[in-house]
Amino acid sequence: QKEVEQNSGPLSVPEGAIASLNCTYSDRGSQSFFWYRQYSGKSPELIMSIYSNGDKEDGRFTAQLNKASQYVSLLIRDSQPSDSATYLCAVPRLGGYNKLIFGAGTRLAVHP
Amino acid sequence: DAEITQSPRHKITETGRQVTLACHQTWNHNNMFWYRQDLGHGLRLIHYSYGVQDTNKGEVSDGYSVSRSNTEDLPLTLESAASSQTSVYFCASSASGTPGAGNTIYFGEGSWLTVV
Repeated sequence: QKEVEQNSGPLSVPEGAIASLNCTYSDRGSQSFFWYRQYSGKSPELIMSIYSNGDKEDGRFTAQLNKASQYVSLLIRDSQPSDSATYLCAVPRLGGYNKLIFGAGTRLAVHP
Repeated sequence: DAEITQSPRHKITETGRQVTLACHQTWNHNNMFWYRQDLGHGLRLIHYSYGVQDTNKGEVSDGYSVSRSNTEDLPLTLESAASSQTSVYFCASSASGTPGAGNTIYFGEGSWLTVV
């Protein structure tokens, strides 16, 4: 089992819809979780972090964490074509909180 | 503005040659990382450093080495380039301390390496 797993996609949603991106992780002791966005040919950029069970909202983005199910998701409301990118889920490996382990990423395509 | 820069951005080299990818950050971050990104694998950690003279192996370190002689730089060396090392390489840095808004990991723009 991979440490961090994501559906590779592509996930295709119409403009204005809600895009739901999912990530599961294997280490039950993980405490912090990060979502990065990566445009084609560019470097990853941090868009959300979450540490507690429940929801965390930031503009059109909502991160949801369920530690019991070892599941973290990212919702993008009112999706725009500019949201088309690959979204990477990342979890610090225990014993090295800054050593992020990344999932393979989910490619999101928002079509007009 | 503080930043993290990588060079070269694109390089083609031959099998067996030694290659060095440079990474320079101006944030005065203690933590620096090298990742490679391949289709279907996401970002995989090659080497990392938590400070000057400190280096550690990541999950895919075979064939790579790093050195940290100052805070700003963490060059990545491919000792004898192989075709399997054709990839995009990202350098990253972060401040010390617990993860949070003030301890974001910042990535360089990437170095595209092709080994022929």
